[in-house]
Amino acid sequence: AQKITQTQPGMFVQEKEAVTLDCTYDTSDQSYGLFWYKQPSSGEMIFLIYQGSYDEQNATEGRYSLNFQKARKSANLVISASQLGDSAMYFCAMREGTSGRRALTFGSGTRLQVQP
Amino acid sequence: EPEVTQTPSHQVTQMGQEVILRCVPISNHLYFYWYRQILGQKVEFLVSFYNNEISEKSEIFDDQFSVERPDGSNFTLKIRSTKLEDSAMYFCASSEEGSEQPQHFGDGTRLSIL
Repeated sequence: AQKITQTQPGMFVQEKEAVTLDCTYDTSDQSYGLFWYKQPSSGEMIFLIYQGSYDEQNATEGRYSLNFQKARKSANLVISASQLGDSAMYFCAMREGTSGRRALTFGSGTRLQVQP
Repeated sequence: EPEVTQTPSHQVTQMGQEVILRCVPISNHLYFYWYRQILGQKVEFLVSFYNNEISEKSEIFDDQFSVERPDGSNFTLKIRSTKLEDSAMYFCASSEEGSEQPQHFGDGTRLSIL
């Protein structure tokens, strides 16, 4: 079974609108972390936001927020007020367990295109 | 802001040749990783490294691969005898202590095997 599932291969959004990118995960660990990364066409991987499994509040970082629904095992990324520069691939990733040395498992990504 | 640096940005190598990809992690980070991304596909974990030894490795990281931290700053990935299917973007990452700490990625090395 896939550990991270991103069901939207591609999404379009109008500039200045909000968009939600879906991510569901599968783990039997009680302790885990969820991360979102942005990959522009230039190829680098940029960390956006983190949510811990024990965090009671949804994470926010500027225009990015994470809609964390633990019972449903979902960690959707919400981008508010989309900008043209937000056009990129977005990857959801999970680290299981409590050790910082554990690997990230990535989803297949969602390509977001922001239209003027 | 400190960043992970990778060299070269692009490496073209004949099949069967050895290749070494180099990375300089962020200086106060303790954990180091290599990932790869075949064109158009998801990012896949290869290996993690902590306290001068491999912490974890994936099925992809077979005997053809090795990692080394030859000095206090560099972290290298060696592929002994490259295959066509090794063509991919290779990312180095590093992180601080703590499971909540994100892994910071370098810009990647695009490896092309001919």
